[in-house]
Amino acid sequence: DQQVKQNSPSLSVQEGRISILNCDYTNSMFDYFLWYKKYPAEGPTFLISISSIKDKNEDGRFTVFLNKSAKHLSLHIVPSQPGDSAVYFCAASEVDKLIFGTGTRLQVFP
Amino acid sequence: NAGVTQTPKFRILKIGQSMTLQCAQDMNHNYMYWYRQDPGMGLKLIYYSVGAGITDKGEVPNGYNVSRSTTEDFPLRLELAAPSQTSVYFCASSYWRASYNEQFFGPGTRLTVL
Repeated sequence: DQQVKQNSPSLSVQEGRISILNCDYTNSMFDYFLWYKKYPAEGPTFLISISSIKDKNEDGRFTVFLNKSAKHLSLHIVPSQPGDSAVYFCAASEVDKLIFGTGTRLQVFP
Repeated sequence: NAGVTQTPKFRILKIGQSMTLQCAQDMNHNYMYWYRQDPGMGLKLIYYSVGAGITDKGEVPNGYNVSRSTTEDFPLRLELAAPSQTSVYFCASSYWRASYNEQFFGPGTRLTVL
C-alpha cells in the first residue's frame, strides 16, 4: 500500500510561471519530508526538506508547504526555468528510512 | 571527494546468473542504502545499513543479500537473477538518520535480466 503518493505523473509549465508539485501521505507518524530531483541517467539529488513541526520552508526559488491535517505537501517553484525540467520525488522519513513517492515529471517549456 | 560511486553502470544477466553490484562512498557516512527504481515507480528500499556490520531489510529484500564490512563499502548481491529484477539500482549514503540528513545518491546501475 502506497504510503506516499504523487498523483500527477507529469506537469508541463511555461518558463517564468509557477510550478506546483503535490504529494499526499497516509502515515501521520512521518516526522520529516524531503523533495529530490532527478535528471535522466543520474541519481536523485536533494532539493529541500521540511520538518513536520513546520508548515513552510523556503530556499531561493523553491518553497515547500506542509498541511498536516490534510496529510499533504506541495513544492512550489517560482519562477520555473528550463533547467528545472526533471523528475521530482517526494519522500517521507520513517526513523532510519525514506519512503518515496512515484515521482512527477516536470517539463518547463520556453 | 568522489561521493557515492557505483559499478558497473550497465549489466545484462541471464536468468539464474549471479552478480554483485558495488557501492562505495568516501564521505565517512554511517548510513548506506540500496534502492531499485522500476519504470514509472518510485524508489523502493531493498536493504540498508546503519553502520559497519549492521544491515536490515527494506521494503523489497527478496532475491538480494548485502554485507557491510567497512564504513565505505556496501555491496548488493543477486544470487539467482530473475527477469523481475530488471531495474535501475541506486546506492545512497547519509551521515545520520533519514529524518535530518539528506541522502547522497550514486549514478545508478542499469540491470537487465534476460
